[in-house]
Amino acid sequence: KNQVEQSPQSLIILEGKNCTLQCNYTVSPFSNLRWYKQDTGRGPVSLTIMTFSENTKSNGRYTATLDADTKQSSLHITASQLSDSASYICVVSASGGSYIPTFGRGTSLIVHP
Amino acid sequence: DVKVTQSSRYLVKRTGEKVFLECVQDMDHENMFWYRQDPGLGLRLIYFSYDVKMKEKGDIPEGYSVSREKKERFSLILESASTNQTSMYLCASTPMALQYEQYFGPGTRLTVT
Repeated sequence: KNQVEQSPQSLIILEGKNCTLQCNYTVSPFSNLRWYKQDTGRGPVSLTIMTFSENTKSNGRYTATLDADTKQSSLHITASQLSDSASYICVVSASGGSYIPTFGRGTSLIVHP
Repeated sequence: DVKVTQSSRYLVKRTGEKVFLECVQDMDHENMFWYRQDPGLGLRLIYFSYDVKMKEKGDIPEGYSVSREKKERFSLILESASTNQTSMYLCASTPMALQYEQYFGPGTRLTVT
């Protein structure tokens, strides 16, 4: 069964600090992995999308890495801001015609001043 | 920019009422999805549609039905609302190139009393 596990479940950091969120998956055959940011009460918004051949992708202060061999991804947030407080969701899609991506349960990040 | 809109941001209904949640996308996407999101459980797929008048059950279809009469519009129907259907409902769309990222609507917070 395809699964996506995220850790930690929640994280509290001080403004200006860096943090790293983890995503492990068992989806096969792998097609792509996406990180979404979801503000409270809002729909998820895409941060990055990575395919098999990509190891790193950045979007401003967000940097995602992918190790397709170990089936792990991380999202690194640099110099955190209060507006980074949100839920971060890892989503993995399989190749081969499946319509349905597999969602992680998300990491809730709180940035304190 | 892709735009996915949902008919209501907040909705309060009584037990037993028939509830309609509407979703409209403006990018001619073939695939549309309905999810519910509950704390600690992440996004769970209720139904999806890959074409007009076509629908497929997701992981938790019980108590729900859907309608897709036009390509841009996908409706979620709660035939007889119950308190355990209190949740955040998210609509998403994606083009037929299946591996593209999903575009989410802002969500509808439904409370059933």
